[in-house]
Amino acid sequence: AQSVTQLGSHVSVSEGALVLLRCNYSSSVPPYLFWYVQYPNQGLQLLLKYTTGATLVKGINGFEAEFKKSETSFHLTKPSAHMSDAAEYFCAVSTMNRDDKIIFGKGTRLHILP
Amino acid sequence: DTAVSQTPKYLVTQMGNDKSIKCEQNLGHDTMYWYKQDSKKFLKIMFSYNNKELIINETVPNRFSPKSPDKAHLNLHINSLELGDSAVYFCASSQRGEGSEAFFGQGTRLTVV
Repeated sequence: AQSVTQLGSHVSVSEGALVLLRCNYSSSVPPYLFWYVQYPNQGLQLLLKYTTGATLVKGINGFEAEFKKSETSFHLTKPSAHMSDAAEYFCAVSTMNRDDKIIFGKGTRLHILP
Repeated sequence: DTAVSQTPKYLVTQMGNDKSIKCEQNLGHDTMYWYKQDSKKFLKIMFSYNNKELIINETVPNRFSPKSPDKAHLNLHINSLELGDSAVYFCASSQRGEGSEAFFGQGTRLTVV
């Protein structure tokens, strides 16, 4: 079975500062990993995903994440936070078996301080 | 064109009523899902259908019954609504394959009073 742990239910950073949102996963088979963003009263939008190949993945809005198998981590970063980055961020894991499902972490609310 | 659309967006109803939420996707995907997001933003999968076949049925009360008339539609019917059913329900779709992500609808905010 797969699971996802997001460290920190709330993270605050100053505008222009580095954003780091932490995600660790557990999977008995090679995982597929995702980061989604949810703005208030909206659905989830994919930021980026890792399937195979290059472990550093670039996504939309300047975000990127690095898959580290040895650390079972997939942390999300952005060099410089913008006010518009304030949202809920979800890390997710899937293995795409027949009974595949995307398992989500509990989410991290990112606050941007002016 | 909206890729995954749900109706209604908001639903307020009394305890004991029966209600349905509809979902349609125009992405040509073969797999559709229902997720429930509680007040703490926790997302939990409820059901998954692949080509109209039920694949995943997580531990969900049998008051919840999904129906997939075709692979572009997945509806959710809820009988005898309870206060604890209040949540945001998200429909999603994906194309089975390696690393396929799910595309989400805008959600249906269900409030049971």
